[in-house]
Amino acid sequence: AQKVTQAQTEISVVEKEDVTLDCVYETRDTTYYLFWYKQPPSGELVFLIRRNSFDEQNEISGRYSWNFQKSTSSFNFTITASQVVDSAVYFCALITISSGSARQLTFGSGTQLTVLP
Amino acid sequence: ETGVTQTPRHLVMGMTNKKSLKCEQHLGHNAMYWYKQSAKKPLELMFVYNFKEQTENNSVPSRFSPECPNSSHLFLHLHTLQPEDSALYLCASSQSSGAVSTQYFGPGTRLLVL
Repeated sequence: AQKVTQAQTEISVVEKEDVTLDCVYETRDTTYYLFWYKQPPSGELVFLIRRNSFDEQNEISGRYSWNFQKSTSSFNFTITASQVVDSAVYFCALITISSGSARQLTFGSGTQLTVLP
Repeated sequence: ETGVTQTPRHLVMGMTNKKSLKCEQHLGHNAMYWYKQSAKKPLELMFVYNFKEQTENNSVPSRFSPECPNSSHLFLHLHTLQPEDSALYLCASSQSSGAVSTQYFGPGTRLLVL
């Protein structure tokens, strides 16, 4: 069985601050994929990134960066110089590769990020 | 990019009504999914269709009935729902459900059952 934990239920920051959203996962499989999605108030989940278990390189995309550490089973997400438009619920998710598995996405409970002007 | 559309965006229905939610994907994908998102609960996968065949039904009550006439369209037929079924219903699609492919989501239908 797999599990994703996002311990931070809500975070508030002031615009231009950096903020890190934590994600800790559990799985016994050695091959798996991790995802981050953003859900603005409109409701749609917007895909941000996908990372496989064999690629521990950190990734940067504009103001977004991701830190994948297998040693601590974490896949944290940092927004640099946050903006009001970053306000949303952010979900971390996991899918594993194992024989017989249904290849289902397991989502964390989400972190509500509020960026204040 | 809004490759997955859902209608209606909002729906209010009584417990004796019958309604349907519609999802359409324009991404050329072969797998489609229904998720339920209730307040303060993780997203729950309801159904998976791969090449129009249902491959997953996660113990969903029979008052929810999915239909997938082709790889681009997915419906969720609702009848005799309960107030606890009020939630955001999200549709997603991916290249295939067998391989690990990224799921892309629609904007959801906010359902309120009175």
